[in-house]
Amino acid sequence: NAGVTQTPKFQVLKTGQSMTLQCAQDMNHEYMSWYRQDPGMGLRLIHYSVGAGITDQGEVPNGYNVSRSTTEDFPLRLLSAAPSQTSVYFCASSYSGTGLDGYTFGSGTRLTVV
Amino acid sequence: AQSVSQHNHHVILSEAASLELGCNYSYGGTVNLFWYVQYPGQHLQLLLKYFSGDPLVKGIKGFEAEFIKSKFSFNLRKPSVQWSDTAEYLCAVTPKGTGRRALTFGSGTRLQVQP
Repeated sequence: NAGVTQTPKFQVLKTGQSMTLQCAQDMNHEYMSWYRQDPGMGLRLIHYSVGAGITDQGEVPNGYNVSRSTTEDFPLRLLSAAPSQTSVYFCASSYSGTGLDGYTFGSGTRLTVV
Repeated sequence: AQSVSQHNHHVILSEAASLELGCNYSYGGTVNLFWYVQYPGQHLQLLLKYFSGDPLVKGIKGFEAEFIKSKFSFNLRKPSVQWSDTAEYLCAVTPKGTGRRALTFGSGTRLQVQP
């Protein structure tokens, strides 16, 4: 089924560990983005990409890295996890980025850093 | 960069009460406007969107929103809520021209409908 696939669904990390959250879409969308959702703060944009090889920072980029080597994949890397990064992470993709054609969201990754 | 404010963080209503959730945005140009809903344990779902034309837009499940350009607002309304409307409601924008091509969300409003 076409859509946005996020893996893993759940993850527990120790402080200082690194990991990569995977995001893949099969809809040939140019625009992809990562959000974190925290209680009372809505969804905050971490990084986004307007196409392969092009990424930019969002509102809360510190502590996260991204790359976009293919149209399909947009992984999010935590280099040294901190408890403040405990959150639910969502990946989203869109054809135009304007929302005119809609955004597709992944099912989320719940990350706990202890 | 664009920003979105939702001033109602937690709203509690009884069934059949009317609902209005506030959303204001800040941006130097024109924007597209959205309301999303997130039911407990579920994905984000688009309720309605505004791009141009009639500033009163109707969405799914009886929701509507009105874009008031002079107030930079896009408030969500429903005449009579149901227990099943209990959810998180998020307002979002994207720029029409150049600018960050990603949804920018407000902080969300948690709606609790009591039977």
